[in-house]
Amino acid sequence: DIQMTQSPSSLSASVGDRVTITCRTSQRISRYLNWYQQKPGQAPRVLVSAASTLESGVPSRFSGRGSETDFTLTISSLQPEDFATYYCQQSFISPWTFGQGTRVEI
Amino acid sequence: QVQLVQSGTEVKKPGASVRVSCKASGYSFSDNDIHWLRQAPGQGPECVGWSHSDSGTMNYARKFEGRVTVTRDMFTNTAYMEFTGLTSDDTAVYYCARVRGKAVIRGVVYDSWGQGTLVIVSS
Repeated sequence: DIQMTQSPSSLSASVGDRVTITCRTSQRISRYLNWYQQKPGQAPRVLVSAASTLESGVPSRFSGRGSETDFTLTISSLQPEDFATYYCQQSFISPWTFGQGTRVEI
Repeated sequence: QVQLVQSGTEVKKPGASVRVSCKASGYSFSDNDIHWLRQAPGQGPECVGWSHSDSGTMNYARKFEGRVTVTRDMFTNTAYMEFTGLTSDDTAVYYCARVRGKAVIRGVVYDSWGQGTLVIVSS
């Protein structure tokens, strides 16, 4: 199975900060990488697919980059509603695996 | 709008089985694959099993093979996951999730999720 390593596992930030989360994969996956946001008690919600395609309805302050084994999710100006846990997921080969998550907190 | 509504919390003893349902509405059930995932406390989701919407082919993550069965009822637009031989390690929230597209092998995007079903395994 493809291993997904996210860093950091948690971070503290303030409203207006620029935040970057990294995801590294154990195999080359081209651009088959998605990002999800999860708030407590809710299911994950897809933010970015195919490494950099912003999903419909997702604010433009979110952006994704990368290819092969190294990917990033950036929030350009953190808003109160962005405090959540973020997961990367590879969509290259089954089983489709997720990272362990990055918790963004105040 | 797309909705996936799952069955409620289950409390099971070790060695028991559990069946979770996922009723879909708001789209054509046959147009999308349904996957089952689970999430243990403090961990990321992991894929348990999945079925392709067109062929009905069922597949399972290797670590769960032999313990899980996923099925679909195309008449009631409901997907099911049955898990056998439960242990305390299986305590988790189980989700059904819709995949964008059908018979998807590469480029799996989970674009809608059920609300989750908490399965507690305890003696």
